Amino acid sequence: VLLVESGGRLVQPGGSLRLSCAASGLTFGDFWMTWVRQAPGKGLEWVASIDQDGGETHYVDSVKGRFTISRDNMYNSLSLQMDRLRVEDTALYYCARAGSSGATSLAYWGQGTLVAVSS
Amino acid sequence: EIVLTQSPDTLSLAPGEKATLSCRASQSVSNSHLGWYQQQPGQAPRLLIYFASIRATGIPARFVGSGSGTDFTLTIIRLEPEDSAVYYCQHYGGSPYTFGQGTKLEIK
Repeated sequence: VLLVESGGRLVQPGGSLRLSCAASGLTFGDFWMTWVRQAPGKGLEWVASIDQDGGETHYVDSVKGRFTISRDNMYNSLSLQMDRLRVEDTALYYCARAGSSGATSLAYWGQGTLVAVSS
Repeated sequence: EIVLTQSPDTLSLAPGEKATLSCRASQSVSNSHLGWYQQQPGQAPRLLIYFASIRATGIPARFVGSGSGTDFTLTIIRLEPEDSAVYYCQHYGGSPYTFGQGTKLEIK
């Protein structure tokens, strides 16, 4: 299983960014997928999860209404659309594979993509 | 929301000793839906334990998860230098799927 994140960069507060995660080595459509972030020098924070067909999504309160998780099973791709970005969204964003029966433990992780929000 | 509190914040032990890491939940974690992760410096987290006590693929038997309800423990027996890392617990019994703040394990 290989998960490769991309799309991270420096962006101004209030701006938008779209992160992507390319998955290979798995039957992508069989699993829930999750985004987890880690601010510099801080711990892990669960951000969002999505079920196999995109019909069920969950978000941490701090990003609700600003971030949107989505997936394209035809292209084995996971996305995170990030709008109205804040300084506190600065972090390394990881894509992770959850289970087939729910947003379970995260058995596979990418190496992360860095988002920096600053003026 | 379930809040997970890990203790201690930092643990310093010698090779060969046993480490006991605690994860306490603010309310019962349903069906022991709790995982433990290891994160070494500069690396992505790695799943160690799921459903509180089941070792993930390739994880040595030195890593033992236990507990239920609100109290969970990760025990690492016969510590090795490469066990130096930050360890996190996470529940997945229902959204939000929160992580604990982490325990930093240092091997002297």
